[in-house]
Amino acid sequence: ETGVTQSPTHLIKTRGQQVTLRCSSQSGHNTVSWYQQALGQGPQFIFQYYREEENGRGNFPPRFSGLQFPNYSSELNVNALELDDSALYLCASSLYGQGELRMNTEAFFGQGTRLTVV
Amino acid sequence: GQQLNQSPQSMFIQEGEDVSMNCTSSSIFNTWLWYKQDPGEGPVLLIALYKAGELTSNGRLTAQFGITRKDSFLNISASIPSDVGIYFCAGQLGTNAGKSTFGDGTTLTVKP
Repeated sequence: ETGVTQSPTHLIKTRGQQVTLRCSSQSGHNTVSWYQQALGQGPQFIFQYYREEENGRGNFPPRFSGLQFPNYSSELNVNALELDDSALYLCASSLYGQGELRMNTEAFFGQGTRLTVV
Repeated sequence: GQQLNQSPQSMFIQEGEDVSMNCTSSSIFNTWLWYKQDPGEGPVLLIALYKAGELTSNGRLTAQFGITRKDSFLNISASIPSDVGIYFCAGQLGTNAGKSTFGDGTTLTVKP
């Protein structure tokens, strides 16, 4: 068990609706990355949050947005859901530092949220 | 964007056999990672490689970081039924562990 928890585990939404997914990072980690994993494919990087700000983004439209809170937990929000948004959404927490005291660890993944858009 | 090509897509082997899978990229990566994903779970890191030419083992698993920095392979020796799952390679450009580009996986089935 990684210590990264995601909620909910499963979710069914209707096209056009909005959804919020949640992730609690592992103790001691300050960074949360979100990935989308479509069936039969590898995870695709959506974005990362570090120090409560977006720290890099993959090829996803603006209707995918996020937040990071002072306790390092994070939310992924998707507006105007489309059928193609159906996927497993994974979050990964890690410890990331910059500058001379750079401390970077491996990323630990949660079990994911399975989103189905109908 | 960067793409990782993993092969083979799937493998069906007998328990006790050795397994080899690889990953190639059109771009250079500074870090190569190998993950395993079981059904209903997130990927779990098996091996991390940080230097071109590096050969690293983790139990029955051995992985190598290609000299060109555009490829990597993973070997599993003496496979057992619990090796079943999907194996992903991933590449990183920098040192930020959370930003990885993943391949589409190799599905391994082990027959007892």
